[in-house]
Amino acid sequence: SQTIHQWPATLVQPVGSPLSLECTVEGTSNPNLYWYRQAAGRGLQLLFYSVGIGQISSEVPQNLSASRPQDRQFILSSKKLLLSDSGFYLCAWNFAGGPTGELFFGEGSRLTVL
Amino acid sequence: GENVEQHPSTLSVQEGDSAVIKCTYSDSASNYFPWYKQELGKRPQLIIDIRSNVGEKKDQRIAVTLNKTAKHFSLHITETQPEDSAVYFCAANDYKLSFGAGTTVTVRA
Repeated sequence: SQTIHQWPATLVQPVGSPLSLECTVEGTSNPNLYWYRQAAGRGLQLLFYSVGIGQISSEVPQNLSASRPQDRQFILSSKKLLLSDSGFYLCAWNFAGGPTGELFFGEGSRLTVL
Repeated sequence: GENVEQHPSTLSVQEGDSAVIKCTYSDSASNYFPWYKQELGKRPQLIIDIRSNVGEKKDQRIAVTLNKTAKHFSLHITETQPEDSAVYFCAANDYKLSFGAGTTVTVRA
């Protein structure tokens, strides 16, 4: 069966510090990978998605970036965090090819920027 | 790109009553419409989905209806229970999922 792991679960960072969130998927090959952000009391905003190694599409212009160095690894980064970057970040995956199917979410990373 | 609107933003119902959440979408090419439930501090999880070739789907106490002509779909929860309290998100896809803003459902005992 497939599993998704995301870490760290919680982090508190000062403004201007760097960020790295990591996500890995096990049990499948060539998944579609996604990063979503959920601000407090808000919906799910798609930040980045990837259909393959090195292929990243950005949905929202911002100071965040994403990379996919390996087939099942997806990393969300920032060089300098802003207060507005605070939120709940969710990595997700689904099967590549065919009709769009169920999206499986990681457990989330709660980021507080002070 | 796809734009999904979801109403209401909050919904309070008495235990045992029904709850209905409605969503509209903009892209007529969208063909997959899932609903996710998110409990406090947890990850969203799929509870039911429907594809464009089906008008209605039911799974025990939850059902989803789809009107492709009007570009709207709805979630129906019958005989609500306290464990139904959560945030519910609708979504629609063209080549990727776009989510509604969510509905916070509170079931009063």
